[in-house]
Amino acid sequence: QQQVRQSPQSLTVWEGETAILNCSYEDSTFDYFPWYHQFPGESPALLIAIRPVSNKKEDGRFTIFFNKREKKFSLHIADSQPGDSATYFCAASAANYNQGKLIFGQGTKLSIKP
Amino acid sequence: NSKVIQTPRYLVKGQGQKAKMRCIPEKGHPVVFWYQQNKNNEFKFLINFQNQEVLQQIDMTEKRFSAECPSNSPCSLEIQSSEAGDSALYLCASSLSKDTQYFGPGTRLLVL
Repeated sequence: QQQVRQSPQSLTVWEGETAILNCSYEDSTFDYFPWYHQFPGESPALLIAIRPVSNKKEDGRFTIFFNKREKKFSLHIADSQPGDSATYFCAASAANYNQGKLIFGQGTKLSIKP
Repeated sequence: NSKVIQTPRYLVKGQGQKAKMRCIPEKGHPVVFWYQQNKNNEFKFLINFQNQEVLQQIDMTEKRFSAECPSNSPCSLEIQSSEAGDSALYLCASSLSKDTQYFGPGTRLLVL
């Protein structure tokens, strides 16, 4: 089934803490897993992405952990800053099976308290 | 930063009117996607193109939606007869292949 489930719906952490956002999927044909963030009034912006050949991808304070066996992946935001407050979406696609269309999670509204 | 251009940024139409929006993909990106994001932040894939050819599309909402990506012209998405439920953010994304997609700023459609 081509669905991506995302949790929590909303998350509040203190500045400096690590925020953890979670996603899961069922379709084994998915081979690309990006995370986007979206600020109010703006469009989604690509943050970081991973392919199943890796179980971890880092880019500065942002890290994706990927568990292929359990079909789960998560975004860790280290040293959270107030400017990280936004809605985060995980997504999945399968270039060879669904022509690359992104299936999005429901979103996590992240608030960072100073 | 995305270099996808979408126009107009805002579009206000009455029910039954046509609504047309355009997208210029990032230079060198042959694959273009259209998505609809509703007020509940739910994304709906509409259609994608590789160069001028349709790769995949949903059953285009009772045929009211049409899209094209002609060569040497912007891609476009048109709603023939707008309905209140079409009010949403319409997002165009472009890609070098079929994975990493960069979104434009979107066209926010309001159907009164």
